[in-house]
Amino acid sequence: NAGVTQTPKFRILKIGQSMTLQCTQDMNHNYMYWYRQDPGMGLKLIYYSVGAGITDKGEVPNGYNVSRSTTEDFPLRLELAAPSQTSVYFCASTRQGNYGYTFGSGTRLTVV
Amino acid sequence: GQSLEQPSEVTAVEGAIVQINCTYQTSGFYGLSWYQQHDGGAPTFLSYNGLDGLEETGRFSSFLSRSDSYGYLLLQELQMKDSASYFCAVREMNRDDKIIFGKGTRLHILP
Repeated sequence: NAGVTQTPKFRILKIGQSMTLQCTQDMNHNYMYWYRQDPGMGLKLIYYSVGAGITDKGEVPNGYNVSRSTTEDFPLRLELAAPSQTSVYFCASTRQGNYGYTFGSGTRLTVV
Repeated sequence: GQSLEQPSEVTAVEGAIVQINCTYQTSGFYGLSWYQQHDGGAPTFLSYNGLDGLEETGRFSSFLSRSDSYGYLLLQELQMKDSASYFCAVREMNRDDKIIFGKGTRLHILP
């Protein structure tokens, strides 16, 4: 059982480039989330989805986009990368009514 | 809006007991969760309190007082492997099971 899988694990982007962070889960969870974590800080919610075709903004959505075409996949798109987007990105999922999230191992992104 | 306050760092001795406090302010509170994160790792779920009182899971216990907007995580028989960051998180009262995390408490354990 793979759980939540994120790719890539590391990436360096130049300012203005774009990329997609991939997240897939095999637990048939309907709820999925994207968080970013800056050094020494907590996790900030970027976007979330309660099911295929449904997405909503979190606390810090600017500069990001998401889509949810299937239950399994929840990619995060960065357009026009900026140094402020240097962070560790975590994807998480849960089933409605569950109390705990399952997190992926994270993507460490550096924008230079 | 929501805010969560927890100490930035706590130091304890191996074999001892340590308590990490969390106070919160939220417009719609559903429950309080705790997560552990080792350096370079992903957060892992430890416990959840939806009702007032103590929840025990092995060496870890978590407590909630809704009237005081306060909770804590209690770690007993500390081991070196417990050195990590611990986050409290508020589950919001809505249909989306969205949770907001505190900034985390770094637990240092001395031998």
